[in-house]
This record gives sequence, structure tokens and C-alpha cells, in this order.
Amino acid sequence: AQSVTQLGSHVSVSEGALVLLRCNYSSSVPPYLFWYVQYPNQGLQLLLKYTSAATLVKGINGFEAEFKKSETSFHLTKPSAHMSDAAEYFCAVKDSSYKLIFGSGTRLLVRP
Amino acid sequence: EAGVTQSPTHLIKTRGQQATLRCSPISGHTSVYWYQQALGLGLQFLLWYDEGEERNRGNFPPRFSGRQFPNYSSELNVNALELEDSALYLCASSKRGGGDEQFFGPGTRLTVL
Repeated sequence: AQSVTQLGSHVSVSEGALVLLRCNYSSSVPPYLFWYVQYPNQGLQLLLKYTSAATLVKGINGFEAEFKKSETSFHLTKPSAHMSDAAEYFCAVKDSSYKLIFGSGTRLLVRP
Repeated sequence: EAGVTQSPTHLIKTRGQQATLRCSPISGHTSVYWYQQALGLGLQFLLWYDEGEERNRGNFPPRFSGRQFPNYSSELNVNALELEDSALYLCASSKRGGGDEQFFGPGTRLTVL
């Protein structure tokens, strides 16, 4: 069965610092991977997706993620954090029956 | 282009009652998915509808059911509500049967008292 692990339930960075949110997956087939962001009391917004076209995926709001098969990782990064990036971030894998399997989420705190 | 819409925004019920949640997908999308986001349990897949048919369901009891209408909108029904059903219920839609990324609505917050 496919699964997703997000290391760190909370990550705190200073404004302007690098953001790194970790995601590792397990999948027996080439995975479809996604990062979503959830702001308080809102639904999920798609940040970016990996569908095997390119290992480095660029998303919205300056985020990007790199697919590393050897490490079964799909970490999310942003060079410079902004206060508006404070939210909860979810990594997800689409399984063979097309449903999304989500990680437990990482809450990003941005300090001024 | 309008996104996925859900109604109501908030719903308060008492234990044993029934709840009905509604979802309208993005225009042109035929697949609708339901997820539950309960405190401490994370995001869990509930149901998937495509072209009016139930294609897959998650590990939830039968009192969670739904349907998809000819216009591709969907309804989630929860019967015999229990306190632990309190959660944010998220609906998502995609262009075709499972093949594309899923776009989420704002959710319905269900509180069971």
C-alpha cells in the first residue's frame, strides 16, 4: 500500500529564510505526488504536482519540489519565506485507485 | 472560472440525526471526491464518484453514503450521526475519472452535539 510521511508536524522559520518541508513516500509504482496548502478555515489549494515529466517541479507562490526516486522523497522548498506562507502543508500520493493519500501535514510558522 | 463550491459552510446536528452535504464541481469536471478531515485523524478518503457511479469508497461505515447527479454535482449523506463524525468535509473534483489533479472546495464544517 502506498503511504506518505511528513517529517515534522511544525516547522518555524524567520521571514526571508529558506523553507524546507520534508515528504517521503512509499509506492510500488511510479507515483503521482502533490503538495497542497491549507490556510486556516479553508480548503486545500494545489501548490504543485509531480507526474514523471521532470524531477524538479515548480509551483505557485515561489515553491518548488524535487522528486528523488533513490531517496523516495519529494521535499518542498522556497528560497525566501514570507509571512503569508504561514499555513499547513500536505504532501499526497495518488494511489492505484485514484484516491489521494495524505501525509499528516506540517504547520509552517513564519517569524517576523 | 468558478471553483468547487460546497454548502452549507457550517452544519450543526445532534447525535442520531442525519446530515446532507452538497458539492458542485468545477465546470467540465466529471469526478467528485469526498474527504474527511477530523481532528487528530488527518485527511481521509471517503468516496469517489465519476459519471454518476460510485467508483471507490474509503474505510468508513455504510452510514456514510452519497450520490452524483446528472449535472455532476454530488451529495454526501451521513446517517445516525455520532460525535466523532464532527469534522471538516472536503469535496474535490477532477476532469476525468481519476486521471487528473484534484481541486478542492472550501469544505463544510460538521459539528455533532
